[in-house]
Amino acid sequence: NAGVTQTPKFQVLKTGQSMTLQCAQDMNHNSMYWYRQDPGMGLRLIYYSASEGTTDKGEVPNGYNVSRLNKREFSLRLESAAPSQTSVYFCASSEGPLATNEKLFFGSGTQLSVL
Amino acid sequence: AQTVTQSQPEMSVQEAETVTLSCTYDTSESDYYLFWYKQPPSRQMILVIRQEAYKQQNATENRFSVNFQKAAKSFSLKISDSQLGDAAMYFCAYRSALVGGSQGNLIFGKGTKLSVKP
Repeated sequence: NAGVTQTPKFQVLKTGQSMTLQCAQDMNHNSMYWYRQDPGMGLRLIYYSASEGTTDKGEVPNGYNVSRLNKREFSLRLESAAPSQTSVYFCASSEGPLATNEKLFFGSGTQLSVL
Repeated sequence: AQTVTQSQPEMSVQEAETVTLSCTYDTSESDYYLFWYKQPPSRQMILVIRQEAYKQQNATENRFSVNFQKAAKSFSLKISDSQLGDAAMYFCAYRSALVGGSQGNLIFGKGTKLSVKP
């Protein structure tokens, strides 16, 4: 079982460059999420998609855009990267929506450095 | 807004011993869920255990158990018979049961790094 697959695993960008982080899940889950993890911090929600065709802002959405391409895929785009976006990014999925005791399945993360 | 506090940045335990990780949270809601996630060096977050606030009985999963004190807003994790593979960052998380917007988002504490000594 692949679960949640993120690409790339590592990326270095220069300030102002753009890039897209890819995420795909093979569990037929309805909900997908993007989190960022900064040193000494827990994960913070950037955007989420409760179902195919819908996306909503989370706690820290500024500087990011997302696309729920289909049920399997949920991408995160940085249009003009800034050093403050240096972080580890995690994609996650769950069968059900927020506000439940649903277990989240996480990818292994993308370590992004913006110079 | 809800907050989750883990007051122990680092903990250490001897293999086969028992360790308890602390977590407190702040909320005005009565219906919610609490979780402990483990993040090993591989970085992938893994659910360890979860608790529904409406349940008085403490959740258990094999060697892992919680002490849920709703009135005190405390949710500690006990790991019994610690193993080398338990070494990881452990995150406590809160999730509202209210439907609508991102209210049901997981709110994480800053984590506790657990070391297991052979």
